[in-house]
Amino acid sequence: DIQMTQSPSSLSASVGDRVTITCRASQGIRNDLGWYQQKPGKAPKRLIYAASSLQSGVPSRFSGSGSGTEFTLTISSLQPEDFATYYCLQHNSYPRSFGQGTKLEIK
Amino acid sequence: EVQLVESGGGLVQPGGSLRLSCAASGFTFSSYWMSWVRQAPGKGLEWVANIKQDGSEKYYVDSVKGRFTISRDNAKNSLYLQMNSLRAEDTAVYYCARLTFTVVTDYWGQGTLVTVSS
Repeated sequence: DIQMTQSPSSLSASVGDRVTITCRASQGIRNDLGWYQQKPGKAPKRLIYAASSLQSGVPSRFSGSGSGTEFTLTISSLQPEDFATYYCLQHNSYPRSFGQGTKLEIK
Repeated sequence: EVQLVESGGGLVQPGGSLRLSCAASGFTFSSYWMSWVRQAPGKGLEWVANIKQDGSEKYYVDSVKGRFTISRDNAKNSLYLQMNSLRAEDTAVYYCARLTFTVVTDYWGQGTLVTVSS
């Protein structure tokens, strides 16, 4: 089974900051990775697919990169609506696996 | 408009059974793999199961193998999760999801809460 290790587990930042979240896969998964945003009481929303492709309608301040075992989600300039929890999800093999999540909080 | 609406959650005793349903609309249900994903209270997301368009392939997370069964009825545009031998650790919000992994948009339901407790 592929383990996804996400870091950090929590992050305090200010509006306008640039932040980066990392997911590491326990084995190579090519670019079979998506990034999701979840707000309290809501279903997750996908931001990035295929590691680096921006989902339609998602602001361009979100970007993804990486391939193989290391992946990053970057938010170039934090906006108030970006404070949420973020997850990566690998779909290279079964069982699918999410990272543990990164809670992004206002500093 | 794509909609996924889960139902069937509730309180069940340990060892009991529950069947979740997901009614899909707004897209050609029979053309997509479908998934169940769960989230325990205050915890992260956990993928539970996938089913192929025609139901011929099914995959499960190890912790539910032999206890949960995913199924679908394409004529009714419905996805199901039969949950048997329920444990306290199965307590979670269960989401029905169309996870595409491509440019085609993902869709998730609003979730249904399953509580396993005596």
